[in-house]
Amino acid sequence: SQTIHQWPATLVQPVGSPLSLECTVEGTSNPNLYWYRQAAGRGLQLLFYSVGIGQISSEVPQNLSASRPQDRQFILSSKKLLLSDSGFYLCAWRTLTGDRDYNEQFFGPGTRLTVL
Amino acid sequence: GQNIDQPTEMTATEGAIVQINCTYQTSGFNGLFWYQQHAGEAPTFLSYNVLDGLEEKGRFSSFLSRSKGYSYLLLKELQMKDSASYLCAVPRNFNKFYFGSGTKLNVKP
Repeated sequence: SQTIHQWPATLVQPVGSPLSLECTVEGTSNPNLYWYRQAAGRGLQLLFYSVGIGQISSEVPQNLSASRPQDRQFILSSKKLLLSDSGFYLCAWRTLTGDRDYNEQFFGPGTRLTVL
Repeated sequence: GQNIDQPTEMTATEGAIVQINCTYQTSGFNGLFWYQQHAGEAPTFLSYNVLDGLEEKGRFSSFLSRSKGYSYLLLKELQMKDSASYLCAVPRNFNKFYFGSGTKLNVKP
């Protein structure tokens, strides 16, 4: 079965500090991978998605970046955090298989980031 | 882009039926997803509609009208554990998922 891991679970960082959040998927190959951010009481905002190693599409231009160094690894980074970067960061994966009628996204447990 | 609207919050009584609506405007349609999200947790998949009509899965059903840009999630025999946020999502090209802000459902005894 497939599992998705994110770490750390919670993080408190000062403004201006760097950030690195990691997401790994097990039990599937060549998944589509996604990074979302959810501000308190709000919906999910798509930040980045990747359809393969080294392929990153950015949805929201900002001080965040993403990388996919391996097939099942997705990393979210920042050089200098802003107060507005606080939120719940969710990684998700999706596999496009021809024998399914639909292909939902599966979410990791998330990282709660507080920038002070 | 996509424009997705849901009510912010709803309250219902245990054992009752509740309908959560979602309206959307999209350029190109690839189906509509409903997710459940308990406070502090990740969303979990509930249902998917791509054709008009009602899809039933146990106590949960989801309806779609593509011509009206409208969907609803119907929850029957409400239980306290159904207290959560319910997110409507519309994918574009199966890579970009656009989520509504979610409807927070409060189930009271």
